[in-house]
Amino acid sequence: GAVVSQHPSRVICKSGTSVKIECRSLDFQATTMFWYRQFPKQSLMLMATSNEGSKATYEQGVEKDKFLINHASLTLSTLTVTSAHPEDSSFYICSASGNHYGYTFGSGTRLTVV
Amino acid sequence: DQQVKQNSPSLSVQEGRISILNCDYTNSMFDYFLWYKKYPAEGPTFLISISSIKDKNEDGRFTVFLNKSAKHLSLHIVPSQPGDSAVYFCAASARTGNQFYFGTGTSLTVIP
Repeated sequence: GAVVSQHPSRVICKSGTSVKIECRSLDFQATTMFWYRQFPKQSLMLMATSNEGSKATYEQGVEKDKFLINHASLTLSTLTVTSAHPEDSSFYICSASGNHYGYTFGSGTRLTVV
Repeated sequence: DQQVKQNSPSLSVQEGRISILNCDYTNSMFDYFLWYKKYPAEGPTFLISISSIKDKNEDGRFTVFLNKSAKHLSLHIVPSQPGDSAVYFCAASARTGNQFYFGTGTSLTVIP
């Protein structure tokens, strides 16, 4: 079945630094990639939607200059948290959609900013 | 505005009994629904789906029921097993769009 590989699974970074999270679709072409964030005891919240080769569409309240999304190829999308702060500590998950009507999630990245 | 709601944050069930997880939605345009299962520190994994043309979909021990008039769906797990202990999210989408809206999840504990 469709697999999305997300790395890293866990990262700790210092406040003010940037962190890049990668999501790769391994056996299908991800025309659309969704990036979600989950705070403890809350639902998955959509941050942005990206289509290959075009700029990402951000949800209201999500800073596009802080959360940089690149979807340069059909198999790779990246989320870069720039100038991370402790309040950015969260669980980030990507979800890829290809030609089939279905969504495959990555395994998630636990970001801790200290 | 939470368009998909799971009003029970947690549920405990004895092994072998039925687990029933509920989900309500507000947007009448939603016509495709998914249930995901999530273990701690892992990404959600797809469990079962249902489209609005059906009112029931069954896959092994998992059955999803859809009541369109009530804007309500439920996931039944029979018989429940300890390995089913996880957080279950329902999600809804309109086929005209790409975005899924998630509920807040229900943490299921199956007691051996």
